[in-house]
Amino acid sequence: ETGVTQSPTHLIKTRGQQVTLRCSSQSGHNTVSWYQQALGQGPQFIFQYYREEENGRGNFPPRFSGLQFPNYSSELNVNALELDDSALYLCASSPGNSMNTEAFFGQGTRLTVV
Amino acid sequence: AQTVTQSQPEMSVQEAETVTLSCTYDTSENNYYLFWYKQPPSRQMILVIRQEAYKQQNATENRFSVNFQKAAKSFSLKISDSQLGDTAMYFCAFMKQYTNAGKSTFGDGTTLTVKP
Repeated sequence: ETGVTQSPTHLIKTRGQQVTLRCSSQSGHNTVSWYQQALGQGPQFIFQYYREEENGRGNFPPRFSGLQFPNYSSELNVNALELDDSALYLCASSPGNSMNTEAFFGQGTRLTVV
Repeated sequence: AQTVTQSQPEMSVQEAETVTLSCTYDTSENNYYLFWYKQPPSRQMILVIRQEAYKQQNATENRFSVNFQKAAKSFSLKISDSQLGDTAMYFCAFMKQYTNAGKSTFGDGTTLTVKP
């Protein structure tokens, strides 16, 4: 089975621009969660998608939005980028049943906003 | 809302020795899971060990074990026979029961260095 893959691995954007990050979930998983990890901090939950619907959101402004496709891959979109959006963005996939507690993480996308 | 606190930003240990990483959390939930994740320089978060709050017995996975004190809301990780490959950032995380895996609250991590 394939693992969780994220693209791109690194990118640099200018303040005010928009960015789209992508995540392919592990085979058989219908749930994708996104996290923002600032340098030297723990991951902060942005939102989760389950079967193409948003299934919970953390304390992030509306310019952070997402999408999940029928194949359960997912996108994270960030509009009007700010310098503080510079971080490692992690996605994690899971089977989507409450009996399975393990989420599998990708290697992350390092976003730098200049 | 839940909070997770890791009070040790950095720790070091000699190879083959034992080290304990601390974690405390705050929640009003009674049913939940606690995790320790390892994040090496490759950035990929890897699950080390998991504890169900309803279980009194502490979880163990080979060289890794936890000391779970529910009343004190404490969840420490013990690494025995430390190896150079254990060098990484370690995160403690909390997840409510009956939620889809992936909705976790993380601490700010402890950077562990294993010295030869």
